[in-house]
Amino acid sequence: AQSVTQLDSHVSVSEGTPVLLRCNYSSSYSPSLFWYVQHPNKGLQLLLKYTSAATLVKGINGFEAEFKKSETSFHLTKPSAHMSDAAEYFCVVFVYGQNFVFGPGTRLSVLP
Amino acid sequence: KAGVTQTPRYLIKTRGQQVTLSCSPISGHRSVSWYQQTPGQGLQFLFEYFSETQRNKGNFPGRFSGRQFSNSRSEMNVSTLELGDSALYLCASSLDTGTNTEAFFGQGTRLTVV
Repeated sequence: AQSVTQLDSHVSVSEGTPVLLRCNYSSSYSPSLFWYVQHPNKGLQLLLKYTSAATLVKGINGFEAEFKKSETSFHLTKPSAHMSDAAEYFCVVFVYGQNFVFGPGTRLSVLP
Repeated sequence: KAGVTQTPRYLIKTRGQQVTLSCSPISGHRSVSWYQQTPGQGLQFLFEYFSETQRNKGNFPGRFSGRQFSNSRSEMNVSTLELGDSALYLCASSLDTGTNTEAFFGQGTRLTVV
């Protein structure tokens, strides 16, 4: 069975400082991993995905994530936070033939 | 290319009633999944349909059901509504092409049960 742990329910950063959102996963198979973002009262938007190609994945809006199999981690980073990055972020694991499993989410606040 | 369309966006229903939500996937996508999002439970998988067949099902009671039509549009139905069914219901569509699968989400239907 697959599971996802997001280590922080809430992260607060100042505008212009780096962002780190942590994710650990558990999967019996080689997973596909995703990060989605949800702005208030909106659906989910894909930020980036890992599908067994390069371990460092670049996404939209300057976000990156690194897949570390030995640590079963897929942390999301951004060098410099912007006010518009304030949202809820979900780490997701997917195994073909099964469903997407979402982490509990991390709420990112960006302070001026 | 149109995105995933969910209708209606908002619904208010009374306990005991039933409700039907609709999802039109991205053209060419054959897989449609449904999720329930609540503040307490987060995002939980309801079920997935692929080529008109339910392929996977989450841990929800039988009051929650769905179907998929030949054009890949999907509906989910909740009967005998309870207050706890108040949630944002999200639909996702995907191509279902193995490990390259990614899900595209609609904006959701906000269901309030009073």
